[in-house]
Amino acid sequence: EPEVTQTPSHQVTQMGQEVILRCVPISNHLYFYWYRQILGQKVEFLVSFYNNEISEKSEIFDDQFSVERPDGSNFTLKIRSTKLEDSAMYFCASKGGRDGSSYNEQFFGPGTRLTVL
Amino acid sequence: SQQGEEDPQALSIQEGENATMNCSYKTSINNLQWYRQNSGRGLVHLILIRSNEREKHSGRLRVTLDTSKKSSSLLITASRAADTASYFCVHNAGGTSYGKLTFGQGTILTVHP
Repeated sequence: EPEVTQTPSHQVTQMGQEVILRCVPISNHLYFYWYRQILGQKVEFLVSFYNNEISEKSEIFDDQFSVERPDGSNFTLKIRSTKLEDSAMYFCASKGGRDGSSYNEQFFGPGTRLTVL
Repeated sequence: SQQGEEDPQALSIQEGENATMNCSYKTSINNLQWYRQNSGRGLVHLILIRSNEREKHSGRLRVTLDTSKKSSSLLITASRAADTASYFCVHNAGGTSYGKLTFGQGTILTVHP
Protein backbone atom coordinates (compact mmCIF):
# COMPACT_ATOMS: atom_id res chain seq x y z
CA GLU A 1 0.00 0.00 0.00
CA PRO A 2 1.41 3.44 -0.88
CA GLU A 3 2.58 5.53 2.03
CA VAL A 4 4.17 8.86 2.81
CA THR A 5 7.76 8.59 3.95
CA GLN A 6 9.88 11.11 5.81
CA THR A 7 13.59 11.43 6.47
CA PRO A 8 15.32 11.67 8.79
CA SER A 9 13.28 10.23 11.62
CA HIS A 10 15.22 12.35 14.11
CA GLN A 11 17.28 15.45 13.45
CA VAL A 12 19.37 17.20 16.08
CA THR A 13 20.75 20.61 15.25
CA GLN A 14 22.29 23.64 16.87
CA MET A 15 20.33 26.86 17.20
CA GLY A 16 20.87 29.07 14.17
CA GLN A 17 21.60 26.20 11.81
CA GLU A 18 19.59 25.42 8.71
CA VAL A 19 17.70 22.16 8.48
CA ILE A 20 15.91 20.48 5.62
CA LEU A 21 13.23 17.95 6.36
CA ARG A 22 12.38 15.60 3.53
CA CYS A 23 9.18 13.92 2.55
CA VAL A 24 8.16 11.64 -0.27
CA PRO A 25 4.38 11.96 -0.72
CA ILE A 26 2.25 9.30 -2.34
CA SER A 27 3.20 9.38 -5.97
CA ASN A 28 -0.04 10.38 -7.66
CA HIS A 29 -1.14 12.90 -5.05
CA LEU A 30 -1.49 16.57 -5.89
CA TYR A 31 -1.82 18.33 -2.52
CA PHE A 32 0.97 18.42 0.02
CA TYR A 33 1.14 19.65 3.60
CA TRP A 34 3.41 20.22 6.54
CA TYR A 35 2.17 20.14 10.11
CA ARG A 36 4.04 20.25 13.35
CA GLN A 37 3.39 19.10 16.89
CA ILE A 38 5.30 20.54 19.79
CA LEU A 39 5.58 18.01 22.58
CA GLY A 40 2.33 17.83 24.53
CA GLN A 41 0.53 20.25 22.23
CA LYS A 42 -1.87 20.12 19.31
CA VAL A 43 -0.98 19.24 15.78
CA GLU A 44 -0.67 22.59 13.97
CA PHE A 45 -0.97 23.31 10.29
CA LEU A 46 2.05 25.00 8.71
CA VAL A 47 1.58 25.11 4.97
CA SER A 48 -0.20 23.57 2.02
CA PHE A 49 1.25 23.24 -1.47
CA TYR A 50 -0.52 22.66 -4.74
CA ASN A 51 0.39 23.11 -8.37
CA ASN A 52 3.97 23.99 -7.46
CA GLU A 53 3.11 26.84 -5.18
CA ILE A 54 2.02 27.55 -1.63
CA SER A 55 -1.76 27.58 -1.46
CA GLU A 56 -2.12 28.45 2.21
CA LYS A 57 0.16 29.04 5.17
CA SER A 58 -0.27 29.67 8.86
CA GLU A 59 1.14 32.45 11.02
CA ILE A 60 3.80 30.03 12.19
CA PHE A 61 5.14 29.73 8.65
CA ASP A 62 7.21 32.92 8.61
CA ASP A 63 10.17 33.91 6.47
CA GLN A 64 12.38 31.36 8.20
CA PHE A 65 10.38 28.56 6.59
CA SER A 66 10.22 27.52 2.98
CA VAL A 67 8.94 24.55 1.04
CA GLU A 68 9.99 23.07 -2.24
CA ARG A 69 9.14 20.23 -4.53
CA PRO A 70 12.44 20.06 -6.36
CA ASP A 71 12.05 16.98 -8.50
CA GLY A 72 8.42 15.92 -8.70
CA SER A 73 8.76 13.33 -5.96
CA ASN A 74 10.33 14.95 -2.89
CA PHE A 75 8.66 17.65 -0.84
CA THR A 76 10.95 19.51 1.52
CA LEU A 77 10.58 21.88 4.44
CA LYS A 78 13.53 24.16 5.12
CA ILE A 79 14.06 26.12 8.29
CA ARG A 80 16.78 28.68 7.63
CA SER A 81 17.91 29.55 11.12
CA THR A 82 16.49 27.23 13.72
CA LYS A 83 15.32 28.42 17.10
CA LEU A 84 14.83 26.45 20.28
CA GLU A 85 11.07 26.76 19.87
CA ASP A 86 11.24 25.00 16.50
CA SER A 87 11.82 21.75 18.37
CA ALA A 88 8.82 19.61 17.46
CA MET A 89 7.63 16.65 15.46
CA TYR A 90 7.09 17.66 11.85
CA PHE A 91 4.57 15.73 9.80
CA CYS A 92 4.22 15.71 6.05
CA ALA A 93 0.90 14.76 4.46
CA SER A 94 -0.50 14.38 0.99
CA LYS A 95 -3.86 13.83 -0.62
CA GLY A 96 -5.77 14.03 -3.85
CA GLY A 97 -4.97 11.51 -6.52
CA ARG A 98 -5.00 12.55 -10.16
CA ASP A 99 -7.80 10.06 -10.65
CA GLY A 100 -9.94 11.89 -8.10
CA SER A 101 -9.26 9.37 -5.35
CA SER A 102 -8.27 10.33 -1.80
CA TYR A 103 -9.74 13.79 -2.20
CA ASN A 104 -10.60 14.24 1.46
CA GLU A 105 -8.34 11.93 3.38
CA GLN A 106 -4.85 13.16 4.12
CA PHE A 107 -2.16 10.52 4.41
CA PHE A 108 0.45 11.38 7.00
CA GLY A 109 4.07 10.36 7.19
CA PRO A 110 5.61 9.03 10.40
CA GLY A 111 7.16 12.39 11.22
CA THR A 112 10.61 13.86 11.79
CA ARG A 113 11.49 14.74 15.34
CA LEU A 114 13.52 17.96 15.27
CA THR A 115 15.54 18.83 18.33
CA VAL A 116 17.18 22.25 18.43
CA LEU A 117 19.91 22.63 21.04
CA SER B 1 -14.20 26.63 22.09
CA GLN B 2 -11.93 25.91 19.16
CA GLN B 3 -13.01 23.86 16.23
CA GLY B 4 -12.63 20.09 16.53
CA GLU B 5 -12.70 20.03 20.32
CA GLU B 6 -12.86 16.53 21.70
CA ASP B 7 -14.45 15.39 24.91
CA PRO B 8 -13.42 13.84 27.23
CA GLN B 9 -9.77 14.83 27.24
CA ALA B 10 -8.84 11.44 28.64
CA LEU B 11 -10.65 8.14 28.84
CA SER B 12 -9.49 5.00 30.62
CA ILE B 13 -11.32 1.70 30.15
CA GLN B 14 -10.83 -2.03 30.36
CA GLU B 15 -10.31 -4.22 27.34
CA GLY B 16 -13.64 -5.34 25.92
CA GLU B 17 -15.51 -2.22 26.96
CA ASN B 18 -16.81 0.36 24.52
CA ALA B 19 -15.22 3.78 24.24
CA THR B 20 -17.16 6.86 23.20
CA MET B 21 -15.52 10.14 22.28
CA ASN B 22 -17.31 13.31 21.34
CA CYS B 23 -16.36 16.27 19.24
CA SER B 24 -17.84 19.71 18.67
CA TYR B 25 -17.13 22.18 15.91
CA LYS B 26 -18.16 25.70 15.04
CA THR B 27 -18.43 26.21 11.31
CA SER B 28 -20.36 24.45 8.56
CA ILE B 29 -18.59 21.43 7.15
CA ASN B 30 -18.55 19.26 4.06
CA ASN B 31 -17.26 16.31 6.00
CA LEU B 32 -15.72 15.40 9.32
CA GLN B 33 -12.91 12.95 9.84
CA TRP B 34 -11.43 11.07 12.76
CA TYR B 35 -7.72 10.38 13.05
CA ARG B 36 -5.70 8.32 15.49
CA GLN B 37 -2.19 8.97 16.76
CA ASN B 38 -0.22 6.37 18.63
CA SER B 39 2.08 7.88 21.25
CA GLY B 40 3.73 10.71 19.30
CA ARG B 41 3.84 8.82 16.02
CA GLY B 42 2.16 9.55 12.70
CA LEU B 43 -1.53 10.17 12.24
CA VAL B 44 -3.75 7.52 10.77
CA HIS B 45 -7.06 8.29 9.10
CA LEU B 46 -9.86 6.23 10.61
CA ILE B 47 -13.14 7.27 9.07
CA LEU B 48 -14.86 10.10 7.21
CA ILE B 49 -18.49 11.07 7.49
CA ARG B 50 -20.09 13.47 5.05
CA SER B 51 -22.37 16.27 6.14
CA ASN B 52 -25.40 14.55 4.63
CA GLU B 53 -24.73 11.36 6.57
CA ARG B 54 -25.87 10.73 10.13
CA GLU B 55 -24.03 7.52 10.93
CA LYS B 56 -21.24 5.47 9.46
CA HIS B 57 -19.61 2.19 10.41
CA SER B 58 -16.18 0.76 9.76
CA GLY B 59 -15.31 -2.45 11.54
CA ARG B 60 -15.47 -1.72 15.28
CA LEU B 61 -15.87 2.00 14.67
CA ARG B 62 -19.15 3.86 14.57
CA VAL B 63 -19.30 7.56 13.85
CA THR B 64 -22.34 9.76 14.20
CA LEU B 65 -22.81 13.30 13.02
CA ASP B 66 -25.38 15.84 14.12
CA THR B 67 -24.99 18.93 11.98
CA SER B 68 -27.75 20.76 13.84
CA LYS B 69 -25.72 20.49 17.04
CA LYS B 70 -22.39 20.68 15.26
CA SER B 71 -21.21 17.56 17.01
CA SER B 72 -19.91 14.12 16.24
CA SER B 73 -19.12 11.02 18.23
CA LEU B 74 -16.78 8.12 17.71
CA LEU B 75 -17.63 4.80 19.27
CA ILE B 76 -15.08 2.01 19.46
CA THR B 77 -16.72 -1.26 20.38
CA ALA B 78 -15.03 -4.17 22.14
CA SER B 79 -11.89 -2.15 22.72
CA ARG B 80 -8.43 -3.70 22.69
CA ALA B 81 -5.18 -2.64 24.30
CA ALA B 82 -3.94 -1.77 20.80
CA ASP B 83 -6.63 0.92 20.59
CA THR B 84 -4.68 2.94 23.15
CA ALA B 85 -3.95 6.20 21.33
CA SER B 86 -5.04 9.80 20.93
CA TYR B 87 -8.10 10.39 18.78
CA PHE B 88 -8.84 13.59 16.89
CA CYS B 89 -11.80 14.84 14.95
CA VAL B 90 -10.78 17.18 12.18
CA HIS B 91 -12.30 18.90 9.21
CA ASN B 92 -11.38 21.33 6.53
CA ALA B 93 -11.88 24.45 8.60
CA GLY B 94 -10.94 26.71 5.73
CA GLY B 95 -13.72 25.52 3.48
CA THR B 96 -11.36 25.37 0.52
CA SER B 97 -10.24 22.46 -1.58
CA TYR B 98 -6.71 22.83 -0.25
CA GLY B 99 -7.84 20.98 2.82
CA LYS B 100 -6.01 22.47 5.78
CA LEU B 101 -6.93 20.33 8.77
CA THR B 102 -7.50 21.85 12.17
CA PHE B 103 -6.85 19.57 15.12
CA GLY B 104 -8.09 19.83 18.67
CA GLN B 105 -6.32 18.52 21.72
CA GLY B 106 -7.80 15.10 21.13
CA THR B 107 -9.02 12.41 23.46
CA ILE B 108 -6.35 10.23 25.01
CA LEU B 109 -7.76 6.73 25.21
CA THR B 110 -6.10 4.15 27.43
CA VAL B 111 -7.33 0.58 27.20
CA HIS B 112 -6.11 -1.62 30.02
CA PRO B 113 -5.56 -5.32 29.29
